[in-house]
Amino acid sequence: DQQVKQNSPSLSVQEGRISILNCDYTNSMFDYFLWYKKYPAEGPTFLISISSIKDKNEDGRFTVFLNKSAKHLSLHIVPSQPGDSAVYFCAASARQKVTFGTGTKLQVIP
Amino acid sequence: GAVVSQHPSWVICKSGTSVKIECRSLDFQATTMFWYRQFPKQSLMLMATSNEGSKATYEQGVEKDKFLINHASLTLSTLTVTSAHPEDSSFYICSARDSKRRRLEQFFGPGTRLTVL
Repeated sequence: DQQVKQNSPSLSVQEGRISILNCDYTNSMFDYFLWYKKYPAEGPTFLISISSIKDKNEDGRFTVFLNKSAKHLSLHIVPSQPGDSAVYFCAASARQKVTFGTGTKLQVIP
Repeated sequence: GAVVSQHPSWVICKSGTSVKIECRSLDFQATTMFWYRQFPKQSLMLMATSNEGSKATYEQGVEKDKFLINHASLTLSTLTVTSAHPEDSSFYICSARDSKRRRLEQFFGPGTRLTVL
């Protein structure tokens, strides 16, 4: 049972445009959400997070939006840069345990 | 800051042998460390949660006698894959949580690629 889903396995975006990565979850007990970025053969690196009491959190080019009623969160990257090309995992937490989604491979085309 | 290292970065072993993977937090103390496994094109699968000075908590379906975890100090956790078989070949990643940092943020190691022949 995949509690955290990223339905788009891949996404291609032109440099300078907006990248929108989506994530859906099923467990209403999740109260904290995170996005990680991962390059091949490396461990994930933390990008941005959001608590369930908020609906938006912004950090530079990265913004995470949370829609609790829809159990949906998204990561916006504006403007997209070639160095953003990587696999992005969303993650959700309940009671200190973190569950990861399946990842979306983002390719930013110069 | 918040660097996590893993050793070795890759290992090839024969079927039936045991392999130990080390995870170290280099510049912070980690009372909790996590071990994940990633199959190609799949998500990170949490195998176990390792707490310093106590027994690890294994996720459902993970054999604790096969994947031995020891968290002997605040900066080191080890995963030993015992009697390895080809199906154990995978990418193993550890992470550590610094209780002084942002809530629930985990810092990941670079991973260890295990190939069992």
